[in-house]
Amino acid sequence: KQEVTQIPAALSVPEGENLVLNCSFTDSAIYNLQWFRQDPGKGLTSLLLIQSSQREQTSGRLNASLDKSSGRSTLYIAASQPGDSATYLCAVKRNRDDKIIFGKGTRLHILP
Amino acid sequence: DTEVTQTPKHLVMGMTNKKSLKCEQHMGHRAMYWYKQKAKKPPELMFVYSYEKLSINESVPSRFSPECPNSSLLNLHLHALQPEDSALYLCASSRGQGGLTNEKLFFGSGTQLSVL
Repeated sequence: KQEVTQIPAALSVPEGENLVLNCSFTDSAIYNLQWFRQDPGKGLTSLLLIQSSQREQTSGRLNASLDKSSGRSTLYIAASQPGDSATYLCAVKRNRDDKIIFGKGTRLHILP
Repeated sequence: DTEVTQTPKHLVMGMTNKKSLKCEQHMGHRAMYWYKQKAKKPPELMFVYSYEKLSINESVPSRFSPECPNSSLLNLHLHALQPEDSALYLCASSRGQGGLTNEKLFFGSGTQLSVL
């Protein structure tokens, strides 16, 4: 059974710092992995999607990496801003027609 | 238009009421989803519709009844809910037509449901 773990559960960093959020999964046979952002009481926004054949994806200040063999993904946020404060969720899909399994998320707070 | 629109944003209902949640997208997506999310927990999948047909039902109680009238609309009919059903209900869509770029989920802002 696929399990997705995100550590830490919460993180506070000063504005301007670079930071890394971690995601691990127990079954390396995945179809893809997505990173989402969720603001309180709102829906989720897909940030980056990495296919199983890819090693990383970049969008602006965000970079996500995938290491299937070790069951790990990281989300790197460069030059953090207060507007980056949100909960970040990692989610994996086992195969094309399967459901997405979410981690519990990391609540990020960027201190002005 | 890259939005998934959910109405209402907030809903308070009694345990004997019947209500419906609505979701709409005009991105031409052929897969639509209902998720339930409790506070500080990840979303839990409830239902998936693919090409207007129910393809996944995650053993959801029958007091939740989904409906997909057409490719742009998804409803969730609620009847005789329990207080523990109070949660944020999220609708999502994806292109659902295969291909590596078609997997991204687009979420609505959700309906915050309180059952009294």
